[in-house]
Amino acid sequence: GDSVTQMEGPVTLSEEAFLTINCTYTATGYPSLFWYVQYPGEGLQLLLKATKADDKGSNKGFEATYRKETTSFHLEKGSVQVSDSAVYFCALTVGDYKLSFGAGTTVTVRA
Amino acid sequence: EAGVTQFPSHSVIEKGQTVTLRCDPISGHDNLYWYRRVMGKEIKFLLHFVKESKQDESGMPNNRFLAERTGGTYSTLKVQPAELEDSGVYFCASSQLAGGRNEQFFGPGTRLTVL
Repeated sequence: GDSVTQMEGPVTLSEEAFLTINCTYTATGYPSLFWYVQYPGEGLQLLLKATKADDKGSNKGFEATYRKETTSFHLEKGSVQVSDSAVYFCALTVGDYKLSFGAGTTVTVRA
Repeated sequence: EAGVTQFPSHSVIEKGQTVTLRCDPISGHDNLYWYRRVMGKEIKFLLHFVKESKQDESGMPNNRFLAERTGGTYSTLKVQPAELEDSGVYFCASSQLAGGRNEQFFGPGTRLTVL
């Protein structure tokens, strides 16, 4: 079946540090890949997505590149802020509506 | 435009009791989904409605769970009787169209604790 494995947390960083959250996947077909973010007290929000190999999704300073050869979709941000503290979920879907999520990575950014 | 809303935000019940969770999707969204995150693990798909019809309920854990979507508007998810392992966060999402490239908009979730 389809599955997502992402880096376990929690991750604690200082402001302006570089953030990477690793995500790898297995899929029965050609997936679309997503990163969702959940800020404290809020619902999941789509952060970025990529629908084909070598596509780069980007939003709010975050980037992730769809790497088919390594089945990866790592999330990166060059300089994090306190407001980036949240839980980040990597997810995929293969041609339909079911999202398969990773376990989530809790990120805390200290001032 | 209002987002996806869920009620209640928290529910604490005892084993054997019944709980009903409610989800109001974004107006005009025909597709409604339920997901669950248990014990800080991955979020798992439960089921998918298109309007009032269940399109896929393959993720429903067992027959103690019953989901309905009356008139194709809001949806309820009833757990009866609740067991300890049902504790977790239940998310609802909606989308205008189905298909992997169509963004699903999520609600804040209902945190269910079964004692």
